[in-house]
Amino acid sequence: AQSVTQLGSHVSVSEGALVLLRCNYSSSVPPYLFWYVQYPNQGLQLLLKYTSAATLVKGINGFEAEFKKSETSFHLTKPSAHMSDAAEYFCAVSDGGTASKLTFGTGTRLQVTL
Amino acid sequence: DTGVSQDPRHKITKRGQNVTFRCDPISEHNRLYWYRQTLGQGPEFLTYFQNEAQLEKSRLLSDRFSAERPKGSFSTLEIQRTEQGDSAMYLCASSPISGNTIYFGEGSWLTVV
Repeated sequence: AQSVTQLGSHVSVSEGALVLLRCNYSSSVPPYLFWYVQYPNQGLQLLLKYTSAATLVKGINGFEAEFKKSETSFHLTKPSAHMSDAAEYFCAVSDGGTASKLTFGTGTRLQVTL
Repeated sequence: DTGVSQDPRHKITKRGQNVTFRCDPISEHNRLYWYRQTLGQGPEFLTYFQNEAQLEKSRLLSDRFSAERPKGSFSTLEIQRTEQGDSAMYLCASSPISGNTIYFGEGSWLTVV
């Protein structure tokens, strides 16, 4: 069975500050890991994905994440927050291979203040 | 590539009524998924199809729920005898068999009053 834990249901940062959203996973097989973003009343948009290639993954909107097997982590970062980054962020895991069902974390709501 | 399309986007229904949601996946995507998301939670897997075959169903999918994908293209999710606990956003997603990314639609909000 696979699972994802997102530490911190709410994170608040100032505009221009570093964004760090935490995700730890549990998987019995080499995982594929994903970060999705959800704006209010909308579906999910893929930010980035790890699929066993480079451990540092760059995504859209300046986000990146690093896969650390020893720590079973896949934390999402962005050097400088922008007001438009305010949204809900979900980490998800699948069991690899071709696209298969995702198991999501409970999400982290990012607030960006002036 | 027009993305995953869902209809209706919002539905308010009285308890006990039946509702049906439609999903049109990205063209040529063989796999189609349904997820449910309640307020403050991440999406939860309900079921998925490969072409017209329904390959897996979650235990969350009670016998009041039925999903179909008759021609391997669009899919419908029907909820019979709706209950207030069914209020949620129902997300559809699709992917190619050979790919490793699942693409989501905008979701269909259901409110049962």
